[in-house]
Amino acid sequence: EVQLVESGGGLAQPGGSLRLSCTASGFSFSNYEMNWVRQTPGQGLEWLSNISISGSYTLYADSVKGRFTISRDNAKKSLFLQMNSLRAEDTAVYYCASGGYCTDDKCNHAGYFQKWGQGTLVIVSS
Amino acid sequence: DIQMTQSPSALSASVGDRVSITCRASQTTRNWLAWYQQKAGKAPKLLLYQASTLESGVPSRFSGSGSGTDFTLTISSLQPDDFATYYCQQYDTYPWTFGQGTKVEIK
Repeated sequence: EVQLVESGGGLAQPGGSLRLSCTASGFSFSNYEMNWVRQTPGQGLEWLSNISISGSYTLYADSVKGRFTISRDNAKKSLFLQMNSLRAEDTAVYYCASGGYCTDDKCNHAGYFQKWGQGTLVIVSS
Repeated sequence: DIQMTQSPSALSASVGDRVSITCRASQTTRNWLAWYQQKAGKAPKLLLYQASTLESGVPSRFSGSGSGTDFTLTISSLQPDDFATYYCQQYDTYPWTFGQGTKVEIK
């Protein structure tokens, strides 16, 4: 069964940090580009970040650029999001989601999200 | 950023009804558009990508059309399991962006 399981959410102080993890099973994680997407009641769904299969290339939404860092460990089938300088407006449910699929010689760089985790709630409040 | 606007924001319909949801982009996304279904407390589920390609395992009553800036998701005969919120998403240009959602409720 294909699964993505997020962890690491919780309560953080404004200006604080959290590190989210996402562990994959049931599919070839190392062949997929990966993403973080968040959802707030007010702002809806927001794509945050994308990472290449090797981890060498990353992209960020302006709202988190310079504060959040995406990374991955293919050996552990894990994706991470280091969140620093947290703000109240970062309060949301955070999802990891699969992106483009890559074979040995090419990637489809698909920008849609086929597989999703169940989400982890981050609350930023004093 | 490309703004995605869905209409309506909510609709009421009965089982068996044909339902259409529109998504308009502020600039062309060619056909790089996806549709998702989300139920309360769950993650979104991919229904269609590239505007009209049905994701594996998704019932054929779901269909998508459009290109450029105007897209439509159609459910040909609404089933009880289809009452949910639907989102469009463009992946033509970073940052990838979503519509605000359309809630489909039981009449």
